[in-house]
Amino acid sequence: EAQVTQNPRYLITVTGKKLTVTCSQNMNHEYMSWYRQDPGLGLRQIYYSMNVEVTDKGDVPEGYKVSRKEKRNFPLILESPSPNQTSLYFCASSLWDRGSKETQYFGPGTRLLVL
Amino acid sequence: DAKTTQPTSMDCAEGRAANLPCNHSTISGNEYVYWYRQIHSQGPQYIIHGLKNNETNEMASLIITEDRKSSTLILPHATLRDTAVYYCIALKTSYDKVIFGPGTSLSVIP
Repeated sequence: EAQVTQNPRYLITVTGKKLTVTCSQNMNHEYMSWYRQDPGLGLRQIYYSMNVEVTDKGDVPEGYKVSRKEKRNFPLILESPSPNQTSLYFCASSLWDRGSKETQYFGPGTRLLVL
Repeated sequence: DAKTTQPTSMDCAEGRAANLPCNHSTISGNEYVYWYRQIHSQGPQYIIHGLKNNETNEMASLIITEDRKSSTLILPHATLRDTAVYYCIALKTSYDKVIFGPGTSLSVIP
């Protein structure tokens, strides 16, 4: 089944303790992206990647890192989490299609609470 | 990307068709109309998209007006599981940044 998976789905951590949220897709998509969703603020893009070894900042990259060593994986790293990073995180992927016959597929989400 | 406007909320009786409108009067010629939905904090789910012509898939139909300034998503036989927030957005490519507005909260009533 074509899908985007994220792990963990739920995470409670403490300020300053490094964590990684994994994202994997099995659709051979070039494009991958991380978003966070907060009440009243909607979806905001954190980082995106157009292909392996190519990553770019989105609108809210501060406090986050990403890497794209393989096509299927796009982990989100919080080196020193802070309470303002408490949020619902989504990974998404898409084929690189200018003709837009395609769409972005979203993962199930990771709910993070930083104490 | 073009701004879209949708009603804040709608109700629909179970088994009836749900018609969700969207205005996108500033849409450009190369922007597609995409519809997603999100069921309470789950990942956004793609429903359908189109450029000019009406589109239909196993989930829904999309009717785009001839001037492309508005569209309607039709869920032909709404079920309780269709209760969700529905988002209409305009994107030029499949890898454009996705920005959801408030969307339409659809409640399917038994």
